[in-house]
Amino acid sequence: QQQVKQSPQSLIVQKGGISIINCAYENTAFDYFPWYQQFPGKGPALLIAIRPDVSEKKEGRFTISFNKSAKQFSLHIMDSQPGDSATYFCAARRSTGNQFYFGTGTSLTVIP
Amino acid sequence: DAGVIQSPRHEVTEMGQEVTLRCKPISGHNSLFWYRQTMMRGLELLIYFNNNVPIDDSGMPEDRFSAKMPNASFSTLKIQPSEPRDSAVYFCASSTPAGGGFTGELFFGEGSRLTVL
Repeated sequence: QQQVKQSPQSLIVQKGGISIINCAYENTAFDYFPWYQQFPGKGPALLIAIRPDVSEKKEGRFTISFNKSAKQFSLHIMDSQPGDSATYFCAARRSTGNQFYFGTGTSLTVIP
Repeated sequence: DAGVIQSPRHEVTEMGQEVTLRCKPISGHNSLFWYRQTMMRGLELLIYFNNNVPIDDSGMPEDRFSAKMPNASFSTLKIQPSEPRDSAVYFCASSTPAGGGFTGELFFGEGSRLTVL
């Protein structure tokens, strides 16, 4: 079954708007929650990541919000730009072992 | 530094043929992962290795799929015989375990797009 559930499947945002992508998990053994960005024809690349001991992490226009009690985390892209158009994957890693479980991805399109 | 290198980038084959995908991880990384990406299922973990040893192959869909890592700098994913439903993009990724200042970040190759006719 899907260990990490991601929504929405696709998202269209106007330039300058806020893009929000949500993920949820069940396994409390996860201890690291990265977001990956993938451009067409390329492999996913790490964008930003958070550990469950903090509720928010910000890097430039990208912010992860983490709610440990609800087992949910989200990616916020402020001032979205056409260059942000890509597929975004949330993921979670178990505290034991080195396995990452990915969400199904969100295709983001930022309209100029 | 060179990233994860995969070959071939594109492969078109006919049903029943053997397909071999290759991966060279980043030097010094001791974990290697094979993922399959489809529109329907996103990124699925097929198998991963630690120090060249397969740790979890529960994601390998069936016996037609096999993976090897004969040394720290090379891995293969083989499909024999291939079927149209195997058409997907196959990614190899490598990492170092978390700890000692490392986050255990996954570094992906650019993928091998497989089309089985």
